Amino acid sequence: AQRVTQPEKLLSVFKGAPVELKCNYSYSGSPELFWYVQYSRQRLQLLLRHISRESIKGFTADLNKGETSFHLKKPFAQEEDSAMYYCALKSNTGKLIFGQGTTLQVKP
Amino acid sequence: ETGVTQSPTHLIKTRGQQVTLRCSSQSGHNTVSWYQQALGQGPQFIFQYYREEENGRGNFPPRFSGLQFPNYSSELNVNALELDDSALYLCASSLPRGGSDTEAFFGQGTRLTVV
Repeated sequence: AQRVTQPEKLLSVFKGAPVELKCNYSYSGSPELFWYVQYSRQRLQLLLRHISRESIKGFTADLNKGETSFHLKKPFAQEEDSAMYYCALKSNTGKLIFGQGTTLQVKP
Repeated sequence: ETGVTQSPTHLIKTRGQQVTLRCSSQSGHNTVSWYQQALGQGPQFIFQYYREEENGRGNFPPRFSGLQFPNYSSELNVNALELDDSALYLCASSLPRGGSDTEAFFGQGTRLTVV
């Protein structure tokens, strides 16, 4: 079965602390994985994708096929990082399979 | 370049009624996907349209149907509305898979409430 699991509904950290948002997936084949972010009162937007191996707004995510994980990390959280984060898997038919999302709350 | 726009932004319907939601895709994008996002959940794939043909469907009953027009805009129709259909409906446009840019751009969504 194709599935994306984000085990934490809420992650609360203080400004400057490291952040790791967990994502595990189940997929037979070569997965294409993404992180989407939704800031308050804004639309869902792409944060980063694994094939680009890029760092966006200080966030990085590494695909670990052995652990079937794609955790999102940032060494020093900022208050403006507070948002809803969704991990998503793109199937070979082109549809996106989303996790349930994690709310990141960065406290001052 | 224009982004993905959806209309209406909010809608209240009565159980048993029918509803049509609309989506204009981003300029140059010929693939449109629809998602249902229930409260507290991630978006769930309903179906995808590519060049006016349905090109993949999620686990939704036939009363969820769609259309794509020659200008790549799209409609989502839901018949015989049920209370559980209350959700945020998202439209996303992209180039087809295999294209050099397969990022999906989302609209702001239509909030449907069924009473």
